Amino acid sequence: GAGVSQSPRYKVAKRGQDVALRCDPISGHVSLFWYQQALGQGPEFLTYFQNEAQLDKSGLPSDRFFAERPEGSVSTLKIQRTQQEDSAVYLCASSLKSTATQYFGPGTRLLVL
Amino acid sequence: LAKTTQPISMDSYEGQEVNITCSHNNIATNDYITWYQQFPSQGPRFIIQGYKTKVTNEVASLFIPADRKSSTLSLPRVSLSDTAVYYCLVGSSGAGSYQLTFGKGTKLSVIP
Repeated sequence: GAGVSQSPRYKVAKRGQDVALRCDPISGHVSLFWYQQALGQGPEFLTYFQNEAQLDKSGLPSDRFFAERPEGSVSTLKIQRTQQEDSAVYLCASSLKSTATQYFGPGTRLLVL
Repeated sequence: LAKTTQPISMDSYEGQEVNITCSHNNIATNDYITWYQQFPSQGPRFIIQGYKTKVTNEVASLFIPADRKSSTLSLPRVSLSDTAVYYCLVGSSGAGSYQLTFGKGTKLSVIP
């Protein structure tokens, strides 16, 4: 079956622009996660959804970041007024339940100029 | 969350067995040890998970000594396609464990 897909794969934004990153999880997966990966570092947790409920957003770095999953499937990570330090790869993962194996998408590489 | 320490990089020739050791001195009783693999421009991929002794699957083996303060990921007869970053993670199945905590990982380079 299809894995986790993310779009766009690459995004270049000018500082101050808003961006929206999309994640299509594996069908039937209840849990969805967003991670941020800086160059040369491991991924860092941003936020977690169980169905449409955002149960944990403790990793979001600022109030410019917010995520939604309105129908419990597709999720969007939105970054407002992008800054250069937002440049990173944003990874989405999904799993059958919160403690099950997480399956990652290929990520969206964001470059803020 | 237990902190992990692993080598930054390793080199190996094709066909050799590769062992990557991870230290996790503060591992808790409920913690499992999980390894992920990440290729360039891809997300991490689950390889193997264990609690104690030895676990083997079609991809790798995981050796965990009795004190569980370290673990060793063993990749048999590596090929060029095994060149990747390997992450060791330690965490429980309890509340909040969904937050996977990655370190910097070990960059494995397989040489022809």
